[in-house]
Amino acid sequence: DAKTTQPPSMDCAEGRAANLPCNHSTISGNEYVYWYRQIHSQGPQYIIHGLKNNETNEMASLIITEDRKSSTLILPHATLRDTAVYYCMHGGSQGNLIFGKGTKLSVKP
Amino acid sequence: DTEVTQTPKHLVMGMTNKKSLKCEQHMGHRAMYWYKQKAKKPPELMFVYSYEKLSINESVPSRFSPECPNSSLLNLHLHALQPEDSALYLCASSQAPRPSAGELFFGEGSRLTVL
Repeated sequence: DAKTTQPPSMDCAEGRAANLPCNHSTISGNEYVYWYRQIHSQGPQYIIHGLKNNETNEMASLIITEDRKSSTLILPHATLRDTAVYYCMHGGSQGNLIFGKGTKLSVKP
Repeated sequence: DTEVTQTPKHLVMGMTNKKSLKCEQHMGHRAMYWYKQKAKKPPELMFVYSYEKLSINESVPSRFSPECPNSSLLNLHLHALQPEDSALYLCASSQAPRPSAGELFFGEGSRLTVL
């Protein structure tokens, strides 16, 4: 099964950039890296995904290392509403997305 | 419409009851999923339907019975559940036939309590 490694928790000051790392050393060549987040008591929300190149959308930026074994999600200006559990994932051996343990990000005033 | 709607939001049932969880999407997605999430744990994949056919069953006990009546609807029938089955049940859909190939849209979940 696909596995990712993320720090269990991180703090970030409001207005500063939040950089969330993820290791995914078992990723296959054709699998995308996906990031989702889950705000308390809500369903997970898609953030961004990428294959090889860095990606940016209105929510975040995704930096993938050249060997694709790790990535970093960047929230450029974190707000209190970004407090959530952030999950990094890639496809499993049968194509199923498996959630890792995630990083609990706390944005503080 | 980019919503996945789940009903009911909360369900309390006894171990001998039969109940169903429902999920609906109108985005034209051809893949739908059930995930189970225990408190303070990540979601765990249970079932995947692709083009209305069951494509992945993650060794889920038979007391959980999924059904996909059409491309917009997904049900999870519950029978003879145990208290340890109490959890948040999340439904998701995606345009792509496999969850690792496209964005998943999640509903808000149905919180199930088994007494």
